[in-house]
Amino acid sequence: QKEVEQNSGPLSVPEGAIASLNCTYSDRGSQSFFWYRQYSGKSPELIMFIYSNGDKEDGRFTAQLNKASQYVSLLIRDSQPSDSATYLCAVNPSGQAGGFKTIFGAGTRLFVKA
Amino acid sequence: DGGITQSPKYLFRKEGQNVTLSCEQNLNHDAMYWYRQDPGQGLRLIYYSQIVNDFQKGDIAEGYSVSREKKESFPLTVTSAQKNPTAFYLCASSPRPLGEQYFGPGTRLTVT
Repeated sequence: QKEVEQNSGPLSVPEGAIASLNCTYSDRGSQSFFWYRQYSGKSPELIMFIYSNGDKEDGRFTAQLNKASQYVSLLIRDSQPSDSATYLCAVNPSGQAGGFKTIFGAGTRLFVKA
Repeated sequence: DGGITQSPKYLFRKEGQNVTLSCEQNLNHDAMYWYRQDPGQGLRLIYYSQIVNDFQKGDIAEGYSVSREKKESFPLTVTSAQKNPTAFYLCASSPRPLGEQYFGPGTRLTVT
């Protein structure tokens, strides 16, 4: 069973701090990785995706991928109360013959204190 | 405005009734997906379609059915065979297989 693991949280950080969200995955051959944000009662929205080892920055968000260690992380700089949400990590595993199934983690709840 | 729409936002049904959830997109995406989310849980894939007139079962397809007669539309029917249908249902689309997914606003189904 291919898995994506996230700490459920809640992760609590003060306003203005850096929030660090982590995700590990079991399939070493995974090729693409996604972060989604989901506010309570709403649908997920895409934050960013990353395919290559290293960092990818988009505004206050940085995704970090380390395929050798099988983890992907999301850093949120200058955290704001409006960033309080559940963050979902998603991974496309290898071995997709006959299927195209993205695997989602259960999410980490982030709470930014004003 | 391009996007994905789902209707209705809230749906209430009696046990034993079939119900169809609508999903429409005008993003010109080939791939479409249906997920189910239960409180405090992750997303579980019900069905997906990579192209018109073709679809595949996901991890929890029992008690559900879909059709993909048009590129823009991917309706999901929750049948009376689904033992625990009360959940938040999410439709998504993607511009390519295994690409990033864009979600509709969801339909919250309650069956009593």
